[in-house]
Amino acid sequence: KQEVTQIPAALSVPEGENLVLNCSFTDSAIYNLQWFRQDPGKGLTSLLLIQSSQREQTSGRLNASLDKSSGRSTLYIAASQPGDSATYLCAVLRTDSWGKLQFGAGTQVVVTP
Amino acid sequence: EPEVTQTPSHQVTQMGQEVILRCVPISNHLYFYWYRQILGQKVEFLVSFYNNEISEKSEIFDDQFSVERPDGSNFTLKIRSTKLEDSAMYFCASSEAKRLEGGDTQYFGPGTRLTVL
Repeated sequence: KQEVTQIPAALSVPEGENLVLNCSFTDSAIYNLQWFRQDPGKGLTSLLLIQSSQREQTSGRLNASLDKSSGRSTLYIAASQPGDSATYLCAVLRTDSWGKLQFGAGTQVVVTP
Repeated sequence: EPEVTQTPSHQVTQMGQEVILRCVPISNHLYFYWYRQILGQKVEFLVSFYNNEISEKSEIFDDQFSVERPDGSNFTLKIRSTKLEDSAMYFCASSEAKRLEGGDTQYFGPGTRLTVL
């Protein structure tokens, strides 16, 4: 059974500092891993998707790495801004699934001015 | 930029009543999904749908739930007889294609908050 864990549950950083968000999963038989952002009471915004064959994916200030063998992914956000304050979720898609994303509980980030 | 839309944004219903949640996926997408998030809990998968058939469903998706694509643009989730524990935010998502490089990114709608009294 796949378990997805995100630690820490909450994080507060001053503006300008780099953010490091962790995601771990117990079953390495994944097809891809997706990072999302969720604002309070809102939907999920897709940030990055990493295929299982990739080690890294970048979009602007965001960089996500994937180490499938150790069951870890890390999302880096460079030079954080107050607008980055949100909950960040990771989700994995197993190789034997038709689209069932399995989510972590998320890391709630506050960037203080 | 194309986006997934959902209506209504908030639905209040009495226990035992039927509700239909509506979604308009991104127009060229072929795969559709429903998820839910009970307050304070993880986002949970309910069902995936392709080519007018359910591809996969979770243990949550029992006989009280059904999905339909009634026309070329809408995708609906029906709950036949709502229970208190069905209160949650329900998210619709769609993806362009599964198992293609980058094409299986799932795009989520803003959600419908369902409150069962």
